[in-house]
Amino acid sequence: AQTVTQSQPEMSVQEAETVTLSCTYDTSESNYYLFWYKQPPSRQMILVIRQEAYKQQNATENRFSVNFQKAAKSFSLKISDSQLGDTAMYFCVLQTGNNDMRFGAGTRLTVKP
Amino acid sequence: GAVVSQHPSWVICKSGTSVKIECRSLDFQATTMFWYRQFPKQSLMLMATSNEGSKATYEQGVEKDKFLINHASLTLSTLTVTSAHPEDSSFYICSARPLTVNYGYTFGSGTRLTVV
Repeated sequence: AQTVTQSQPEMSVQEAETVTLSCTYDTSESNYYLFWYKQPPSRQMILVIRQEAYKQQNATENRFSVNFQKAAKSFSLKISDSQLGDTAMYFCVLQTGNNDMRFGAGTRLTVKP
Repeated sequence: GAVVSQHPSWVICKSGTSVKIECRSLDFQATTMFWYRQFPKQSLMLMATSNEGSKATYEQGVEKDKFLINHASLTLSTLTVTSAHPEDSSFYICSARPLTVNYGYTFGSGTRLTVV
């Protein structure tokens, strides 16, 4: 069975500072993908960053980067230079097989001015 | 980029009536679309997988007769909540993926359903 665990229900960070959101997962599949999605108050799900399991290099997208530890099945998201617009719910998502996607419980991030 | 349009964005209906929610892929074709339900401050719960031209696959515990799914074309899937009750009030979200991409999904903007 595939599972995704986000152990931080809520986090806060001061504007311009750095924050790291944690995620661990479990799967028996060798080929899978990991994602971080953001859901702001508008509730639109927005893809933040993705990582292919077969790639050792950590993915980066501007201020967003991941620390992918395959052996430990860990996939954390680092947000640098936090902005007020980063305030949102963040979901760690595991995709295995062709269509199976599993969502973590989410971490509510608040960026404080 | 891939865009998924979901309509309506919100709807209020009376108990006992039916409501249809549409999910359209605007600039790509999708043989598979997904329907999720999200309760306040919770994660997305997969309800069903919508397959173009065939029956939907429902997750355990989801009532097939209450949540009717139709995927008649490569760009449109619909979710009909039949005989709605107040406990069906929730936020419903669809997602889809272009045929040419093998990972990642684009989500619709969601529909807030309130049954009174």
